Formats: sequence, structure tokens, C-alpha cells
Amino acid sequence: QQQVKQSPQSLIVQKGGISIINCAYENTAFDYFPWYQQFPGKGPALLIAIRPDVSEKKEGRFTISFNKSAKQFSLHIMDSQPGDSATYFCAAQNKAAGNKLTFGGGTRVLVKP
Amino acid sequence: EPEVTQTPSHQVTQMGQEVILRCVPISNHLYFYWYRQILGQKVEFLVSFYNNEISEKSEIFDDQFSVERPDGSNFTLKIRSTKLEDSAMYFCASSEKHSTDTQYFGPGTRLTVL
Repeated sequence: QQQVKQSPQSLIVQKGGISIINCAYENTAFDYFPWYQQFPGKGPALLIAIRPDVSEKKEGRFTISFNKSAKQFSLHIMDSQPGDSATYFCAAQNKAAGNKLTFGGGTRVLVKP
Repeated sequence: EPEVTQTPSHQVTQMGQEVILRCVPISNHLYFYWYRQILGQKVEFLVSFYNNEISEKSEIFDDQFSVERPDGSNFTLKIRSTKLEDSAMYFCASSEKHSTDTQYFGPGTRLTVL
């Protein structure tokens, strides 16, 4: 019940294309849903985050869509650039469990020029 | 921009030895966390710490692990008797308050147990 399932595991997209990553969760106690971007050898860096009372959030080229009833959320990267090549992790936070972040398995995105 | 720092960047140790991983969270942050990432796998929660006590810990965080905030700036993770399977990247994170406040991650310490 604590798991967050993420798909796909990897993604190749052409420069200028759209990258879409999907996540699903079971635990309704999750109250905050961040996406992190990680480059090799670095720590995860927050990209964008959403609360469950909002269905969509957009920041620049990055958009989160959130479907509370389906317990699913997704990240859309518009106009993908080679610099977006990284591993993306969705996560879900549980305030009642010490703000524990449960991460998805990660999606390795490669943007081809 | 303030950031979480971690030392050392890489630690090599023999199985059975004790290691201490150090972190300096962002200065006005109140919540502190340790996560680990085994090579190629997802990031896993170890422990959260607030007001000088553990708020939550995972099943990974057994009696071999301990955390401490020895002074006003450092936050440490101690592994008493390292095992081969403790080899991983260990990330410290901190957040300002609670709930929806972002957790900011440090660059990590790569622990290699031989």
C-alpha cells in the first residue's frame, strides 16, 4: 500500500517532443506529490510538485496532471531538450509518517537532438 | 541559494566497521531526513528527524543505524557495523516546516563496503 508505481522505466524522445511519465499510488494518506529530477552522480532536485486538491499544475515546460479518484498523476515535459536527459522520480509524501517520501522506480529520459 | 551539503563524497570501508556520514542541512530548516539509493534503483526512505527525535523510520533503519544532531548545524547518520548490502548512495535532505514543504536533497555520500 505504500508503493508508488512509475512507468515507463525508460523513454527516448526527439528534441522538441513531449515526454510523459505516469505514476500510480494506493495510499490515500499521501498529501503531497513532488517530481524530482536526478542527473548522474547528483542528488534528486525538485522539479515541480502538486497537492491532491489541484488537478493540474504548470511551471514552464513542465506540467503535472493529477487524478485523485484514479490515484494517478503524471508529468508532461513539453518541447523536450537534450538538457532534460536525466532520471525522473515521482514521489508521494505522507505528513502523518514523518513527511516520509515514497519514491517511484524512476524513468530514465533520453532526449535526442 | 542555500543548499544541503554532505561529507565525505565517497567513503570506502571494510565490512564490520563503523561509518559516520555527515550532513549540514539548510540553516533555517527544522526537519531532517536520510534516504539511500542502491545503484540503479529507486530512492528509499530511511529516517526522518524533528525536534531532536526520530519522527519516522523504515524497516531498513534497524539497530545498526542511528542519527544524531550533535550541534546546531550537523546531522549525522551512523552505521555501527557495516554490511556489504549497505553499499549505496546516502542522501541527506531537509525541509523548512512540514507537510507540503519541499525536501531539499544533498549531493550524497557514496558508501562502498568491501
